[in-house]
Amino acid sequence: DIQMTQPPSSLSASVGDRVTITCRSSQNIRNFLNWYQQRPGTAPKLLIYGASSLQTGVPSRFSGSGSGTDFTLTIISLQPEDFATYYCQQSYSAPWTFGQGTRVEIK
Amino acid sequence: QVQLVQSGAEVKKPGASVKVSCKASGYTFIGYYIYWVRQAPGQGLEWMGWINPSGGGTSYAEKFQGRVTMTMDTSINTAYMELSGLTSDDTAVYYCTRDARGSASHLRFDPWGQGTLVTVSS
Repeated sequence: DIQMTQPPSSLSASVGDRVTITCRSSQNIRNFLNWYQQRPGTAPKLLIYGASSLQTGVPSRFSGSGSGTDFTLTIISLQPEDFATYYCQQSYSAPWTFGQGTRVEIK
Repeated sequence: QVQLVQSGAEVKKPGASVKVSCKASGYTFIGYYIYWVRQAPGQGLEWMGWINPSGGGTSYAEKFQGRVTMTMDTSINTAYMELSGLTSDDTAVYYCTRDARGSASHLRFDPWGQGTLVTVSS
């Protein structure tokens, strides 16, 4: 199975900050990488697919980059509604595995 | 709009089975695979398997082989996930979601159902 790692498990930031969340895969997954946002008590929401393609309706302050084994999700100018947990997921091969999540908390 | 609506919370005793439903609307049901993902309290996301509503083909994660059964009823655009032999470790929120890629190459899960909490307790 492909292992997905997201260090750190949490980070603190302020409204207006630029935030970068990292994800690493245990093997080369090319650009088969998705990012999801999960607010407390709600279902995950797709933000980015194919490592860098913005899902329809997602604000442009979100962007994704990377290929191979190292990926990043960047939020420019963090908004109050962005405080949530972010998960990466590899879509390269089954079983479709997720990172353990990075929680973005209010500083 | 595309929507997945799941059945309500369940409380089960150890050893029992649970069946969760997922009703799709706003798109052609047989055109997209349905996946099931669970999330234990305070934990991450775990893929369980998928069903192809066009024909009923399934694939299950190795961890759940022999305990999970995914079915569907195309007449009412609904998918089901049944998990048997429940233990306390199965206490989790169970989500259905759609593989939204269509003809594209990159699997992606969108949208997600609201989740169904299954509590296993004696």
